[in-house]
Amino acid sequence: DVKVTQSSRYLVKRTGEKVFLECVQDMDHENMFWYRQDPGLGLRLIYFSYDVKMKEKGDIPEGYSVSREKKERFSLILESASTNQTSMYLCASSYQDIQYFGAGTRLSVL
Amino acid sequence: SQQGEEDPQALSIQEGENATMNCSYKTSINNLQWYRQNSGRGLVHLILIRSNEREKHSGRLRVTLDTSKKSSSLLITASRAADTASYFCATDAHGSARQLTFGSGTQLTVLP
Repeated sequence: DVKVTQSSRYLVKRTGEKVFLECVQDMDHENMFWYRQDPGLGLRLIYFSYDVKMKEKGDIPEGYSVSREKKERFSLILESASTNQTSMYLCASSYQDIQYFGAGTRLSVL
Repeated sequence: SQQGEEDPQALSIQEGENATMNCSYKTSINNLQWYRQNSGRGLVHLILIRSNEREKHSGRLRVTLDTSKKSSSLLITASRAADTASYFCATDAHGSARQLTFGSGTQLTVLP
């Protein structure tokens, strides 16, 4: 079974803090994705990566950056957290068109 | 932008009944997928239907695709309380099989 692990289920941070969300997959997938999910808006793609050290902007990259130093790990970085980044963050990896998701990190920025 | 839009937004049925959810999309696709999300968890892939297919079955799930109408439906037969979840359609709207665009989902509640 594919396993996508997100480092935290719940996270509470202060405005202005630098926040790291970590995601690890164990199936050697090339493609990895970060989404945020908000009520009524579905999933919105923040960034994705097709390979190590490669990243591409999704639909809503503003305020975020990513890092992919190793194939299995894809990190989402909030350089200076703001209250409007309070959300559920979902990481996924994909193989043959199908995406496999982690359990999600619910981030609250106070 | 929202490529897939599910309808209805919420659906409540009794155990044993069938549940039908619809998805509409705007541009041409290579495939359409349905995912399920239990409350507060990640999404789980249910079924994929390619643009040259019209119908696909998997257990109690039946998916149809009408590319002329740019729409798909997901039917869950003989629903169970454990089917209570949000259901999302996803399309590879960017023309790349690696990116998906998700709709805002249908919240299904199955009452025991």
